[in-house]
Order: sequence, then structure tokens, then C-alpha cells
Amino acid sequence: EAQVTQNPRYLITVTGKKLTVTCSQNMNHEYMSWYRQDPGLGLRQIYYSMNVEVTDKGDVPEGYKVSRKEKRNFPLILESPSPNQTSLYFCASRRPGGRGEQFFGPGTRLTVL
Amino acid sequence: GQQVMQIPQYQHVQEGEDFTTYCNSSTTLSNIQWYKQRPGGHPVFLIQLVKSGEVKKQKRLTFQFGEAKKNSSLHITATQTTDVGTYFCAGGYAGTASKLTFGTGTRLQVTL
Repeated sequence: EAQVTQNPRYLITVTGKKLTVTCSQNMNHEYMSWYRQDPGLGLRQIYYSMNVEVTDKGDVPEGYKVSRKEKRNFPLILESPSPNQTSLYFCASRRPGGRGEQFFGPGTRLTVL
Repeated sequence: GQQVMQIPQYQHVQEGEDFTTYCNSSTTLSNIQWYKQRPGGHPVFLIQLVKSGEVKKQKRLTFQFGEAKKNSSLHITATQTTDVGTYFCAGGYAGTASKLTFGTGTRLQVTL
């Protein structure tokens, strides 16, 4: 089954404790992306990757890092989480070229205390 | 940068009533997509529009892309409780490869 998986699905942590949210897709998509969803603000892109070893900032990259060492994986790293990073995070993948649907993972609900 | 505005933010309808959500872009779009997110779920792709003035239908859902390719709408005829969720438009712009800029979403509540 074609899918995007994320782990963990829920995470409660404390300020400053480094964390990684994993994302994996099995559709051989070159393009992968991370979004955060906050009430009233919709989906805002954090980082994206056009292919292996190619990453770039989205609209709200501050406080986040990503890596793309393999085509299928695109982890999101919070080196020093802060309470304003409490949010619902979605990983997504898509075929390149600007056409075609974007597939979303199930989401990770992060709370930073 | 590109911005996509979506209205209304929230709408509550009685089952059987119609519903429309609108998206407007500050600049010309190359294409627009629509997604539905059920409560507690993730966004799921509904459709993509590419051509100026394009209209597409999926059962009770009608999607339109404006002539100037700066606006789009989603209309649901005779809503059902299964239509509950948040509807997002997402715009693609020339020269931005695979990036989608999402609207803020319209949350639809349907009651009997």
C-alpha cells in the first residue's frame, strides 16, 4: 500500500531536549516536505527536499533541521525545542514536476512544555 | 511571497444545505489543488485544476478555477454529515517546482 509513515504519532517533551520525528515513504517520490498545522494558520511549510542530499527552507524553518540521506526518509530534527513549536506536524511526498497529488503522513502531535 | 487566502474560516450548515469555500491568490497560479482533512486525520487529495476557467465535478462536489487563474472555489451541493472536515486549497506557482502554498482552510460542520 502506498503510504507515508511518521513516528512518533504523539510526543510530549520539555524545552531544550533534542528530538527527531521520522518520516518514510514507499512511493519512490523525489519530493518530500514537512508542514506544521496550527489553528487558523493552515498548513505552513517548514522544509522541503527535491531529492537526496537536496534540501531547502520553506516558509517557517527557524528552529528546525532536516536531512535527506536516502530517498525514502526525511527526518525532522528539533535541536532545542521550545513551547512555540508545539504543533501538529505532517510529512508529505509528491512526484516532482509540480503536478499530481501530495500524499500526507498521519501526523505527529508535539507538545513542548 | 505567494499567499493564498481562503474564506470563510468556518461554516456551519444543516444537512441538505449547500456549501462553498473560496480561495484567492495574490499572484497567478499555475495550478490549484483541493484537499479534505477529516477531524483527527490528515489532508487527503481531492482534485487538481490546471486550465483557466476549468470546472470539474465529483458527485456533489464542484470545483472551479477562475479565468485569471487567481481564484478557485469548491461547492458542495446538499451537504451530508460525511462532508464534515476542513477543506484546504493549495496553489502551485510557476518556477516553484513542486511547492504548494496552502490556504488557511475552511472548517465545515454539518448537523442534522
